Amino acid sequence: GAVVSQHPSWVICKSGTSVKIECRSLDFQATTMFWYRQFPKQSLMLMATSNEGSKATYEQGVEKDKFLINHASLTLSTLTVTSAHPEDSSFYICSPGIAGGQETQYFGPGTRLLVL
Amino acid sequence: GDSVTQMEGPVTLSEEAFLTINCTYTATGYPSLFWYVQYPGEGLQLLLKATKADDKGSNKGFEATYRKETTSFHLEKGSVQVSDSAVYFCALRYFGNEKLTFGTGTRLTIIP
Repeated sequence: GAVVSQHPSWVICKSGTSVKIECRSLDFQATTMFWYRQFPKQSLMLMATSNEGSKATYEQGVEKDKFLINHASLTLSTLTVTSAHPEDSSFYICSPGIAGGQETQYFGPGTRLLVL
Repeated sequence: GDSVTQMEGPVTLSEEAFLTINCTYTATGYPSLFWYVQYPGEGLQLLLKATKADDKGSNKGFEATYRKETTSFHLEKGSVQVSDSAVYFCALRYFGNEKLTFGTGTRLTIIP
């Protein structure tokens, strides 16, 4: 099956700093990347959908200026949390889009962000 | 809107015990239902799925039946193993739409 990597797996940062999370699809080309986040004891929620070569689409309530998404190539998408605050502490997961309505969807292992 | 509700964890069982993780959903249409599993340090993996009412998904000894009348998709396994320790997510999705709606996840720990 497809392999998806995320880096870093863990990050602790000070409030006000920016954090970049990389997501790579290692053995196939992803024209679309989904970014999810999960707060403690809550559901995994879709934040945004990035499209290679164009602007990302954000879900309602997600600030596009705070969560910058770049999908510069078919194998790499990045999520940058700008000016992070403690309430941004969460678990972030990426998932490449699957073409043709296939049922199987693959996910990265996730990045746990803790903002102090 | 659509939503998925899972039983709260964590769940701790002894090896060879019977497992049930409850999942119910609310949906405006007729979605496909999924169980994903996340082992430590790995990404979510599809465990099983069912695409219509009364379908039963099964894999690795796990089963779940799509019950439209009770809007449920409970995960069961007759005899769990230590290697089943993971986080389990119930989810729904409509055909042709890649957006998944997840439950909160249930952490399962199996002790020898």
